[in-house]
Amino acid sequence: DAGVIQSPRHEVTEMGQEVTLRCKPISGHDYLFWYRQTMMRGLELLIYFNNNVPIDDSGMPEDRFSAKMPNASFSTLKIQPSEPRDSAVYFCASSLGGWADLETQYFGPGTRLLVL
Amino acid sequence: GENVEQHPSTLSVQEGDSAVIKCTYSDSASNYFPWYKQELGKRPQLIIDIRSNVGEKKDQRIAVTLNKTAKHFSLHITETQPEDSAVYFCAAREGNEKLTFGTGTRLTIIP
Repeated sequence: DAGVIQSPRHEVTEMGQEVTLRCKPISGHDYLFWYRQTMMRGLELLIYFNNNVPIDDSGMPEDRFSAKMPNASFSTLKIQPSEPRDSAVYFCASSLGGWADLETQYFGPGTRLLVL
Repeated sequence: GENVEQHPSTLSVQEGDSAVIKCTYSDSASNYFPWYKQELGKRPQLIIDIRSNVGEKKDQRIAVTLNKTAKHFSLHITETQPEDSAVYFCAAREGNEKLTFGTGTRLTIIP
């Protein structure tokens, strides 16, 4: 398996533009997590899905952020409109199951977002 | 919700010496404690984990200890090498599926 795949790897955009980040979890994994990492705030969980259903979105900073998982192999995180303070590295991670022995979260390579 | 505190934020050790990073958690229901290593510009990667029914786990030069009563767990790296230099994150999982991460420790191994 290729692991968790994220695209794009780097994104530079101007304030006010819409940004869409994409993630393909490891095949067979039931859980998908979106994280944001900054120097100031560390690694923050934004939202996670179980079997394509959003379970906890309490970490989503505001209404400008939205996430979807239309099927088991694809998820998007959208920021509209983007702001400079959204600049961060966004990681997607997936895991086999919360209660299974193999509950390790595997991280994708991340998307480095810069909003000018 | 869960709150995880991690210390120290930075740590420098001589190559060959041991490094210890400590974390405390707040929710006594937490039952799973992984440690991730993140090299510069790379993704976090799991290096070791421990479950609440175990007090200690070792994997070559890396070990993790858990004290459920005191609600703290520690990462121990022995015989440190330059490639151990990275940021290390602890995490705790509550009764549901999500992890709460510590703020990270930047470990520098001095040759």
